[in-house]
Amino acid sequence: GIQVEQSPPDLILQEGANSTLRCNFSDSVNNLQWFHQNPWGQLINLFYIPSGTKQNGRLSATTVATERYSLLYISSSQTTDSGVYFCAGHEGGGNKLTFGTGTQLKVEL
Amino acid sequence: EPEVTQTPSHQVTQMGQEVILRCVPISNHLYFYWYRQILGQKVEFLVSFYNNEISEKSEIFDDQFSVERPDGSNFTLKIRSTKLEDSAMYFCASSPRGGYTFGSGTRLTVV
Repeated sequence: GIQVEQSPPDLILQEGANSTLRCNFSDSVNNLQWFHQNPWGQLINLFYIPSGTKQNGRLSATTVATERYSLLYISSSQTTDSGVYFCAGHEGGGNKLTFGTGTQLKVEL
Repeated sequence: EPEVTQTPSHQVTQMGQEVILRCVPISNHLYFYWYRQILGQKVEFLVSFYNNEISEKSEIFDDQFSVERPDGSNFTLKIRSTKLEDSAMYFCASSPRGGYTFGSGTRLTVV
């Protein structure tokens, strides 16, 4: 069946540190997206990244579709980066998103 | 930047009552969705809607649930006879084809 797995499940960083979050996905998953769920519960679209690399400020993401993984890089982390990071992908040719279980990030002063 | 708008942001309802959650998707998007997230769990797909009909639904989306696009801008989720376990954050989303945009959610509490 379809699988979207994220690691690590939890991460605590000191402000200013860098981190890498990983998302592994099964063969039937494509069109990866990364989301940030902030402490208020809002889901913020970070990247739509079926393949390749994209950057947006201190965040960047890389998807290697042939090897079934995607990475989210956070540089110079800030307390406002805290929350849960989800990756999600479409199954086959459909539009339904299947979410991973998330990485809970806490950035401390 | 275009947004998906959801109302209300919070709703408290008595068990057994009907609720309607409202969404205004991004105007030029073609696909509309509802997802839910029970507290502390991952986001789960409920239903997708395309060309004025349901294109896919999950096992969760049983006869208790219905969706409607009553006019050219709104997209609603109706939950009939709410149960305690329906308490969750409900997210609306829209997409052109790929690349979702989610609304800020409606937190539903059934008491």
